[in-house]
Amino acid sequence: DQQVKQNSPSLSVQEGRISILNCDYTNSMFDYFLWYKKYPAEGPTFLISISSIKDKNEDGRFTVFLNKSAKHLSLHIVPSQPGDSAVYFCAASERGAQKLVFGQGTRLTINP
Amino acid sequence: EAGVAQSPRYKIIEKRQSVAFWCNPISGHATLYWYQQILGQGPKLLIQFQNNGVVDDSQLPKDRFSAERLKGVDSTLKIQPAKLEDSAVYLCASRPPHGTGELFFGEGSRLTVL
Repeated sequence: DQQVKQNSPSLSVQEGRISILNCDYTNSMFDYFLWYKKYPAEGPTFLISISSIKDKNEDGRFTVFLNKSAKHLSLHIVPSQPGDSAVYFCAASERGAQKLVFGQGTRLTINP
Repeated sequence: EAGVAQSPRYKIIEKRQSVAFWCNPISGHATLYWYQQILGQGPKLLIQFQNNGVVDDSQLPKDRFSAERLKGVDSTLKIQPAKLEDSAVYLCASRPPHGTGELFFGEGSRLTVL
């Protein structure tokens, strides 16, 4: 039962353009959502998060949008830079729980 | 502030052998997690500790996997006997007591079972 889904295994974007990574979830009890970035041979590192009481959170070049009615969130990176090339994981947690449920990941490649 | 420490970084064993992974969380983080990440998939929670007590081990294959956190600080994850499908990266993470929900991950221990 995949509660968090990232349906695009890979995405290729030109440097300077916008990267949009998508994530869908099925559990309506999820109330906190996070994006992690992972380079090869390293652990995932936290990127940005959003609470279910908001629909947008912005941090520099990174913006996360949450559409609760559609159970969908997206991560926008603009402008995209070569250092953004990595695997991005969407994660969610349920109210009162302290564990994260992860999606399968999307490999983002930024082309010069 | 030192991050989550894990060892060994890499381990190659034959099926039916045993292996153990060690994790030392960030100082002051009471909650510790072990996740399994199989190639091409997202991390899957194996076990969650709060201090030295188990909070959630519902997805831990208890016939072959065991984990302990005896003194509420560092933790060990053991696999015995290993199967081919246990080949994965084992990620340890910890969480601060009053954080916003973010977990801090170590670099992981990559296991290859031949």
